[in-house]
Amino acid sequence: DGGITQSPKYLFRKEGQNVTLSCEQNLNHDAMYWYRQDPGQGLRLIYYSQIVNDFQKGDIAEGYSVSREKKESFPLTVTSAQKNPTAFYLCASSISAPLAGGGETQYFGPGTRLLVL
Amino acid sequence: GENVEQHPSTLSVQEGDSAVIKCTYSDSASNYFPWYKQELGKRPQLIIDIRSNVGEKKDQRIAVTLNKTAKHFSLHITETQPEDSAVYFCAARAPSGGYNKLIFGAGTRLAVHP
Repeated sequence: DGGITQSPKYLFRKEGQNVTLSCEQNLNHDAMYWYRQDPGQGLRLIYYSQIVNDFQKGDIAEGYSVSREKKESFPLTVTSAQKNPTAFYLCASSISAPLAGGGETQYFGPGTRLLVL
Repeated sequence: GENVEQHPSTLSVQEGDSAVIKCTYSDSASNYFPWYKQELGKRPQLIIDIRSNVGEKKDQRIAVTLNKTAKHFSLHITETQPEDSAVYFCAARAPSGGYNKLIFGAGTRLAVHP
């Protein structure tokens, strides 16, 4: 998991502002994921990407957008439509999207804590 | 869809005691069950996982058991140490629209007291 980096560590958003969280991996993993973690709760899936130029909505995609133009990068934009963005955001990757089994272990980045001013 | 329930939400033990965390899942098609440890402000790290064709797996002081019939799996930590204090998350992987995704439990905060 040391091959996944996220930046910045802390991010402050003003009302009405879009902000972008960076996630980069050098593990040559095909699949990447974004999760949101709120205090006292588990991880909830925002978006995932199984391969370059493809991504799918997770369970809580509203107010978020992503792109996957490069294998190693999967940035997440928190738009002004996300009314409660304060949370800890975790990016993860796995060798493959495990449709047939194997390669399903997900490795997490260090996270970005987003706060609203 | 898949749902994962995790108990207890908090667990306090004395150093050297054992700790057990239990999770139940709803989708009988689930076939992979990882456990993650997350220290305060840090990333979740995989500590052990088990697949549905195995009933038990051990790695030094930690073990995971799976009961597919009852649809529950448990994490066992023996000889607990203060550095085991963290939040532990279970997860289950179930097919969803052709893509296998992880569903996480809400977490268990384990405190090991010296």
